[in-house]
Amino acid sequence: DAGVTQSPTHLIKTRGQQVTLRCSPKSGHDTVSWYQQALGQGPQFIFQYYEEEERQRGNFPDRFSGHQFPNYSSELNVNALLLGDSALYLCASRGGGEQYFGPGTRLTVT
Amino acid sequence: QKEVEQDPGPLSVPEGAIVSLNCTYSNSAFQYFMWYRQYSRKGPELLMYTYSSGNKEDGRFTAQVDKSSKYISLFIRDSQPSDSATYLCAMDSSYKLIFGSGTRLLVRP
Repeated sequence: DAGVTQSPTHLIKTRGQQVTLRCSPKSGHDTVSWYQQALGQGPQFIFQYYEEEERQRGNFPDRFSGHQFPNYSSELNVNALLLGDSALYLCASRGGGEQYFGPGTRLTVT
Repeated sequence: QKEVEQDPGPLSVPEGAIVSLNCTYSNSAFQYFMWYRQYSRKGPELLMYTYSSGNKEDGRFTAQVDKSSKYISLFIRDSQPSDSATYLCAMDSSYKLIFGSGTRLLVRP
């Protein structure tokens, strides 16, 4: 079992650019959530996808959007990047009560 | 007031010590409680998952939940240098997780 996988591992972007991050859930899991983790903080919930629909959304602006594909994999898109978007972006998959996290994508905005 | 409060540490202990990590929370509706371990620049790893009040043991780890006090704990017995990491508590709120800010633990050889 490969677990939750994310790509890319690291990314450097310039303010104003757009970025797409990708996630493949753990085998058998159909629900994917995205979290943002700033340095020294706990992860903050961005949104969750189930059956290709956004089921819940945290307190993040519309610049953050996502998508879930029929194979349950997911993308996180961030438009008009700000310096404050620099963080570790985590994907978590759920197939019951427990949520398992991927290794994350470290985004640096310069 | 944050929904979940956690002492950021760092907490430094000698190898072999018993470690106690704690979180308090404000929302009495939380039913599921988790502890994650996160090594530097890595994703969180699920350590313990508990439902409602009570204790759960897994090897050297014991999780306790006291819903009446809105207080959860993680105990690590016979701590090892490899346990040095940040420990995050999390509560399940309608399928989204609410995290504490994490406690940094350093186990000295």
